[in-house]
Amino acid sequence: TAGITQAPTSQILAAGRSMTLRCTQDMRHNAMYWYRQDLGLGLRLIHYSNTAGTTGKGEVPDGYSVSRANTDDFPLTLASAVPSQTSVYFCASSDSSGSADTQYFGPGTRLTVL
Amino acid sequence: GQNIDQPTEMTATEGAIVQINCTYQTSGFNGLFWYQQHAGEAPTFLSYNVLDGLEEKGRFSSFLSRSKGYSYLLLKELQMKDSASYLCAVRDSDYKLSFGAGTTVTVRA
Repeated sequence: TAGITQAPTSQILAAGRSMTLRCTQDMRHNAMYWYRQDLGLGLRLIHYSNTAGTTGKGEVPDGYSVSRANTDDFPLTLASAVPSQTSVYFCASSDSSGSADTQYFGPGTRLTVL
Repeated sequence: GQNIDQPTEMTATEGAIVQINCTYQTSGFNGLFWYQQHAGEAPTFLSYNVLDGLEEKGRFSSFLSRSKGYSYLLLKELQMKDSASYLCAVRDSDYKLSFGAGTTVTVRA
């Protein structure tokens, strides 16, 4: 079972360029999330989607956009990258049908903006 | 919002016990999670508490006191492979997770 996949694994990007980080899950989870992880700050929520067709802003949404056209895919787009967006990005999904509602994480994308 | 505090680092000897504390202040509480994250890897789920008390899963146990805004993760019979970061996360009434910065545990032989 693949679970959650993310692409690319890592990327170096020039400031001002745009980029889309891809996330796909095969667990038919209705909820999906994007986090960034920075040293000393822990995981911070960027955007989320409770179900296909809906999205919401997390703690640090500025400079990022998302879409949820179907259940499986949840791409994150940086329209014009800045060095402060250098981070490790994790996508996660959860079932939201049970009380535990555990989030499962993808392997991450390491992004460097120069 | 959430304010979640946990120690930055802890060191322990193989075979010993380590307790990682987590305190939180929350505007709405709907469960507390512990995740394990090895260097360069994704976080993986360890435990979930929503009611007060102790939840035991093999060598790992997690405790919650909602009135005190306090949880701990207990790791027993430490093994070298337990060297990792341990993340405390609180879920709010909107089912969003807020994470602490994580505690890096180093297990020494």
